[in-house]
This record gives sequence, structure tokens and C-alpha cells, in this order.
Amino acid sequence: KNEVEQSPQNLTAQEGEFITINCSYSVGISALHWLQQHPGGGIVSLFMLSSGKKKHGRLIATINIQEKHSSLHITASHPRDSAVYICAVSGQFYFGTGTSLTVIP
Amino acid sequence: GAVVSQHPSWVICKSGTSVKIECRSLDFQATTMFWYRQFPKQSLMLMATSNEGSKATYEQGVEKDKFLINHASLTLSTLTVTSAHPEDSSFYICSATDTLNTGELFFGEGSRLTVL
Repeated sequence: KNEVEQSPQNLTAQEGEFITINCSYSVGISALHWLQQHPGGGIVSLFMLSSGKKKHGRLIATINIQEKHSSLHITASHPRDSAVYICAVSGQFYFGTGTSLTVIP
Repeated sequence: GAVVSQHPSWVICKSGTSVKIECRSLDFQATTMFWYRQFPKQSLMLMATSNEGSKATYEQGVEKDKFLINHASLTLSTLTVTSAHPEDSSFYICSATDTLNTGELFFGEGSRLTVL
């Protein structure tokens, strides 16, 4: 069993749809990170969370420490949101296998 | 935001040669840098954690004599793939955290290594 589990693995959405990606972890953490990797390979850190909720533009990330669960939401999705989204935890680093998102115009 | 630069972005080399990849923090001092490897359609695999001025800590299964990591200054870490073989072909990425140690990760652009 992986220390960080993400779902779904692949997701296709129509432009404008509300999207949720889930992440569950089984280890103690100091923080949880949501990362975005575009087809070219570059990775951008979207959020670092240790509690509660953060919002940046159309992106919202939440974490429930008791349930060891986090969600990444994208409102009003757009084709440029198409990327792989990776959940990672730190303290000891573990990475999820990523969610490949495709937003269709 | 903080910038991490990686160089080269791609490299092709012959089997048996060594390749050095640099990771620089351009506008902040990075006490800790991380090196990852990524195979096609797979997630990141942490290879090692390097702290400025000390030996890198390697993850289980990563050969430290194969993947030499040097973090000689607060702005530069290098990964040298020694005696490269085709199975070392991969996408190598670095990330860094700042000296304030907020824990936020800043990633380099990645280096694609192809060993012929």
C-alpha cells in the first residue's frame, strides 16, 4: 500500500466543470503539497497545507488532518488546466502517483 | 516567486560517460535541495536529499556511488550520473526549500537524460 493515494488516476472534464481530485495519506506529516506538472515536465507548487483550506484563483485546496485526507478543487475548469496533479506529503517525503487531468473545450 | 534553475534541460550522452546536472536557486538561499527521478507516465521518485555543506541522504535503492550529489553552496547543488548506461535515461528534477524553512518547494525545470 502506498503512503499517499490519489484518485482518480485519470480525469476528463468538459470546460467549465467543477473538478475534484482526492488525496489520502497514511503517515504522519508536517505538510501536504499539491503540485502541477505540465506536459513539458516542469513542476509548479500550487499549495502547501498543514490545516484548513487555501484558495488561489480558481483553485481551492482543503485538508482534514484527522481523516488524513486532502482535496484539490478546480472551479470553472479550462483547457489550460490540463496537467498532471500530484499530491505529496512532507516530514518524510512521499508522493502520490498523480492525476492526469484533461479539460476538453 | 522563488526561482530554481536547472541545467542542462536535456542531454544526450554515450554509455560509460558521466553527466553533471546543476540545480541553482536564483533568488533565495536553499539549505536543502531534493533530487528526483521520473520515468514516463510515472510520478516523482525522491532519490536523495542534500543539505548544504554535508553529505546527501539517499533513499533506499539509490546507489550513492552512481548518483553523486554535491551541495557546496547555499545556491547550488549538482547531480552527477557516473558511468551512465541506457537504463539511467530518465527525467531528473530538483527542488529546493528556502532558509526560512517554510517547507514550500520550488522546482527546477527538469533535465531529460538520454544515454545511447
